[in-house]
Amino acid sequence: GENVEQHPSTLSVQEGDSAVIKCTYSDSASNYFPWYKQELGKGPQLIIDIRSNVGEKKDQRIAVTLNKTAKHFSLHITETQPEDSAVYFCAAMDSSYKLIFGSGTRLLVRP
Amino acid sequence: DGGITQSPKYLFRKEGQNVTLSCEQNLNHDAMYWYRQDPGQGLRLIYYSQIVNDFQKGDIAEGYSVSREKKESFPLTVTSAQKNPTAFYLCASRGTHNLANYGYTFGSGTRLTVV
Repeated sequence: GENVEQHPSTLSVQEGDSAVIKCTYSDSASNYFPWYKQELGKGPQLIIDIRSNVGEKKDQRIAVTLNKTAKHFSLHITETQPEDSAVYFCAAMDSSYKLIFGSGTRLLVRP
Repeated sequence: DGGITQSPKYLFRKEGQNVTLSCEQNLNHDAMYWYRQDPGQGLRLIYYSQIVNDFQKGDIAEGYSVSREKKESFPLTVTSAQKNPTAFYLCASRGTHNLANYGYTFGSGTRLTVV
């Protein structure tokens, strides 16, 4: 079955700097890759997603890139702000429409 | 507003007790999911249901049970057979009619603690 690995587990950046989180997946049949942001004590919120027929997608300060050949995808946050501090999860959707999640990255943006 | 509601927010269980976590959605979504989240870890799938009156085991179904009698509701029972039930439980739903939208909508979670 699908397996998703996520790195790094923690990331600390200075406000205004960029943050990059990387994930790899194992099942080449996976074709949907969302990113979720989870604040303390809350449920995950979808922030951006990408399908396998697209290489890059951008939404304001957030972008996601996908390399199908290498089976990895990345989240890029530019001009980070303190409110970006949270846990971020990547996921891959398997052929049964189940999402398989990475282990999460705790992002801290230092003011 | 459409959404997915989990209750209660906090739940305490005594040893040997069964407890039921509620998940209700008014998004008209066909598919619903239960995930377990342990501190510092990712989300692991417990059970899922693609349609009313049907559900499948996920990766960690042992000690849990579910029902799907109504489209809107997907309750999760944590039985006494679950040896380590303390965790944060998340319910999610997904619409299946629009194949362009695969995204899950999550509830706000239930934190279960064994006392």
